[in-house]
Amino acid sequence: QITLKESGPTLVKPTQTLTLTCTFSGFSLSTSGVGVGWIRQPPGKALEWLALIYWNDDKRYSPSLKSRLTITKDTSKNQVVLTMTNMDPVDTATYYCAHDPGRAAGLLFDYWGQGTLVTVSS
Amino acid sequence: QSVLTQPPSVSAAPGQKVTISCSGSSSNIGNNYVSWYQQLPGTAPKLLIYDNNKRPSGIPDRFSGSKSGTSATLGITGLQTGDEADYYCGTWDSSLSAGMFGGGTKLTVL
Repeated sequence: QITLKESGPTLVKPTQTLTLTCTFSGFSLSTSGVGVGWIRQPPGKALEWLALIYWNDDKRYSPSLKSRLTITKDTSKNQVVLTMTNMDPVDTATYYCAHDPGRAAGLLFDYWGQGTLVTVSS
Repeated sequence: QSVLTQPPSVSAAPGQKVTISCSGSSSNIGNNYVSWYQQLPGTAPKLLIYDNNKRPSGIPDRFSGSKSGTSATLGITGLQTGDEADYYCGTWDSSLSAGMFGGGTKLTVL
């Protein structure tokens, strides 16, 4: 059974750096093809794809946020960490991590965490 | 504004059928698989359709997907009040080397 859970601060101040951790079970990030992605959703708005890290440490980022994002993995801890620098109130959103089973030529998240709401405010 | 275009809302009566479109370009939908997600109020998204038209285990066959050229469509038959949710298409963009979602469609079952 695959599960994922996001953790991190619920409140950050403008200009601060956000660090979110996705802790998962039921799969290994050392399995060929597998990935973990981050997606966010501002209140009342659409999903936004942020970043994805693969089993081989290949990383992909949203072009519009690439300069602010870093995704890393710790295979031994079954964790993926996303950092976002220079936080702004417009970054207020629910942040999700999700499992990518490793399909080629497409986007596929078959298991999602429950999400964590991050508010950016002074 | 999303690169993948979905209608903001659709509605239909219980028992009827509805379709939700997702329009993109050759760099995304045209050359990559599309997936669809259902998001019930206050919950995380749930995978409904992957690889354009495949259903994960446990998803009823009332839900279907198709793709033609640079557009994809989600179909839902036998509408139930429990189907009221936001629906999102998603795919990869080969030019951007990044994933993307549509703007979402709110389904109302009247």
